[in-house]
Formats: sequence, C-alpha cells, structure tokens
Amino acid sequence: DTAVSQTPKYLVTQMGNDKSIKCEQNLGHDTMYWYKQDSKKFLKIMFSYNNKELIINETVPNRFSPKSPDKAHLNLHINSLELGDSAVYFCASSPENRWALAKNIQYFGAGTRLSVL
Amino acid sequence: GQNIDQPTEMTATEGAIVQINCTYQTSGFNGLFWYQQHAGEAPTFLSYNVLDGLEEKGRFSSFLSRSKGYSYLLLKELQMKDSASYLCAVLSLYGQNFVFGPGTRLSVLP
Repeated sequence: DTAVSQTPKYLVTQMGNDKSIKCEQNLGHDTMYWYKQDSKKFLKIMFSYNNKELIINETVPNRFSPKSPDKAHLNLHINSLELGDSAVYFCASSPENRWALAKNIQYFGAGTRLSVL
Repeated sequence: GQNIDQPTEMTATEGAIVQINCTYQTSGFNGLFWYQQHAGEAPTFLSYNVLDGLEEKGRFSSFLSRSKGYSYLLLKELQMKDSASYLCAVLSLYGQNFVFGPGTRLSVLP
C-alpha cells in the first residue's frame, strides 16, 4: 500500500564503495525527485525526472547518477562514496510538474539513511 | 539566486497558537508550500498558497504576501503531536524547481 517506497532504509558502507538506492511510486505520478537532507536538516533537491526524462540536475557531483527505467521508478547510484555523502536521501513524486500548483504537491518516501565510514 | 529564511527553533504550550514565519527571495515565484516533518520521518504536505491571503485547513492556516516575500504557518490549539519541523518551500516560476527553507523545529510543551 506504500505510495513511495525506498530501499534500503539504512545503508552503512565504507569510503570508496559504490552503492545504489531504489525508489518506486505506485501513485501513477509523472514526476519523481531525489533530495538530500544533511545533518543540519537542510532538504536540498538533487534531481528531478518527468516521465523518465531528466528535468532538474542541481550542482551535484557526477559520482551521483540517477536512472529512471520507467516513470514509476527512479534509482540513485553513487560511485566512490565519500564521508560527506553521509545524509538522509529522500525520494519523492508529484502528479506532474506544471503550472497547476496542486499537481506539484510532493509525496515523500521514508528516506534512506546513508552512513559512510 | 534563491534564499529562504525561517526561525531555527520555537517553543509553545499545548493548547496555544503559534505562528511560524518564512521569508523568501527567489528568481521567479509560482507558489509556496508548507511541509511537516517529524523526527526521523519523511516530510508530509500541509498546505500551499499561490495568491495573497490566508488559506485555512482545520487547525492549520497559511498566509502569503507575494509583494513582501513573506509567508506564515499558523497552528491553533496546539497538541503534543505537533512537535515537529516545519519546512516552507518555494516553487520557482516555471515549476521546475523546489527550494526548501532550513525548517523550524517546534517543540510543544505540556
């Protein structure tokens, strides 16, 4: 029944490793997002996809690569993990990404807590 | 550039009313959203404003003044479960980008 689900919920790994976080939404939404929330609780957008196409790519190291196999899935792959990557990563989705404000209401997954040691 | 400001922390008493302010300076504006985030959980949508004025939703209301770049979230009849962080977020003009404020951590005391 979960609307936006992320796996894994917790991820503990060593520096230099490569890891992936998966996200799926069953709401039929067109737009999906990845956010990073650091230790100061600042929620910052990383990427946004609309119908499998990248529409937002903020200033994020190219070690982070999103992949959207279909509009219900948006995965995040991180290469060569660094200590500063430790954060909570949230996936979100919205009906679409247009002028109608209600269509931009975002529904968040429970988050993936990444700890890089 | 985009800049959103909120008070870091606030404390209020159960049953009281609290107002959480948000000021913003953004290149283009399409609307302002408020989210609630309990500790260790995901943000959940509360309300949005696109036009100036007050939007009321039960115990929660949100106000917007576009000319002043200012919004507030008003919480009435505070309950212990309202202890959470409250995030304001601005949607840029072309609906392409969401910018979240730093959040206000509200503690409701008995």
